Amino acid sequence: QQQVKQSPQSLIVQKGGISIINCAYENTAFDYFPWYQQFPGKGPALLIAIRPDVSEKKEGRFTISFNKSAKQFSLHIMDSQPGDSATYFCAASRSYSSASKIIFGSGTRLSIRP
Amino acid sequence: NAGVMQNPRHLVRRRGQEARLRCSPMKGHSHVYWYRQLPEEGLKFMVYLQKENIIDESGMPKERFSAEFPKEGPSILRIQQVVRGDSAAYFCASSPFPSGAGNTDTQYFGPGTRLTVL
Repeated sequence: QQQVKQSPQSLIVQKGGISIINCAYENTAFDYFPWYQQFPGKGPALLIAIRPDVSEKKEGRFTISFNKSAKQFSLHIMDSQPGDSATYFCAASRSYSSASKIIFGSGTRLSIRP
Repeated sequence: NAGVMQNPRHLVRRRGQEARLRCSPMKGHSHVYWYRQLPEEGLKFMVYLQKENIIDESGMPKERFSAEFPKEGPSILRIQQVVRGDSAAYFCASSPFPSGAGNTDTQYFGPGTRLTVL
């Protein structure tokens, strides 16, 4: 019940295309869903995050779509660029909990072809 | 405002030795989290600490691993008698104190310590 399932494991997208990464969770107590971007040899960096009271959040070329009833959320990267090539992790946590650890998905390695 | 700092960035140990990893949270942050990332895998939660207290250690192996966050100084993750399976990247993250400014849900990650056990 603590898992966050992420797919696909790897993704290749042409420059200018749309990259879509999907995640699903089981624990309905989760109420904060961040996405992290990680480049090789670096720590994860927060990209964008959403709470379940909204169905979509957009920041620049990055959009999170959230479906509370299905317990699914996805990251869309519009106009994908080679600089977006990285590993992306979806995640979930419980706000204001004494155990507000982040549960990470397994990651998606995204490659943007020029 | 400096980010989360971790040192060393790379650490090589022989089997049976001790590994000591340090994490200095962002200024004003009093919550520290440690995660472990095995090659080609996601990050797995290990332990959550506040100053001088362990809040959640549900992800820590029962033996050989310990963590502390003293009143003064960095948080320390200690691995005793390391084995090859301990080889991984260890990331520290920090978040603000609940009553302070900022989003307490957001955790900011350091660059990690890559531990190699020979």
